[in-house]
Amino acid sequence: SQTIHQWPATLVQPVGSPLSLECTVEGTSNPNLYWYRQAAGRGLQLLFYSVGIGQISSEVPQNLSASRPQDRQFILSSKKLLLSDSGFYLCAWSRGVGGGPDTQYFGPGTRLTVL
Amino acid sequence: TQLLEQSPQFLSIQEGENLTVYCNSSSVFSSLQWYRQEPGEGPVLLVTVVTGGEVKKLKRLTFQFGDARKDSSLHITAAQPGDTGLYLCAVPSMDSSYKLIFGSGTRLLVRP
Repeated sequence: SQTIHQWPATLVQPVGSPLSLECTVEGTSNPNLYWYRQAAGRGLQLLFYSVGIGQISSEVPQNLSASRPQDRQFILSSKKLLLSDSGFYLCAWSRGVGGGPDTQYFGPGTRLTVL
Repeated sequence: TQLLEQSPQFLSIQEGENLTVYCNSSSVFSSLQWYRQEPGEGPVLLVTVVTGGEVKKLKRLTFQFGDARKDSSLHITAAQPGDTGLYLCAVPSMDSSYKLIFGSGTRLLVRP
C-alpha cells in the first residue's frame, strides 16, 4: 500500500530564517506531487506541483521554492521566512492517470508558525 | 478563472440532525470530488461524481452532482460527532489535468 510522510509535524521559526519541509511517498512510482498551503479553517492553495523528477510548476509568486531530487521526494524551501508564510502545509500525491478524475492523497501536514 | 463557492461556510448542529452543504460554480466540470478534513490532518477523499444528476451514497452521506454538472450537494442524515470536520469540494483545473481546484470549504461541528 502507499503511504505519504511529512516532517516535521510542527515548526516554529523566526522571521528571516530558512525553511525546509520534506515529503516522501512510499509504495508507488512516478507519482504527481503537490504542495499546498492552508490558512486556518479554509481551503487549499496550490503552491507547487511536479509530474516528474526535476519538473516543478509554480502556481503563485512568493518567496518559497520547491525541488524534487528523487522520484518520491518533494521538498519545500525558503531562504528567508516572512510572517505571512505561517500556515498549514500539506503535501499530496496522485497517480496522474489522465483522462479521468485523479484522486489526491494527502500527508498529515506541517504546522508552520513564523514569529 | 475557475471558482468554487461552498455554502454555508460554517455549520453547527446537534447530533441527530440532518444537514446539506453545497458546492456551486458557473463552470461545467467533467467530474467533482468531495473530501473531508479532520482537524490537524490532511483531507481524505469521500467520493467522486462524474455524471450529471448522479447520486452516490456512502452510509449516511448522500452526494449529488447537478444535472448541468455545475454544482453538487452533500447531505448528511442523522449527523454524529464523528462527522465533524471541513468538507471540501474539488474539480479538475481547466488549464491542467494534473491540478485540482478546491473550494474554500464548509466547516461542520456536530455537538453531542
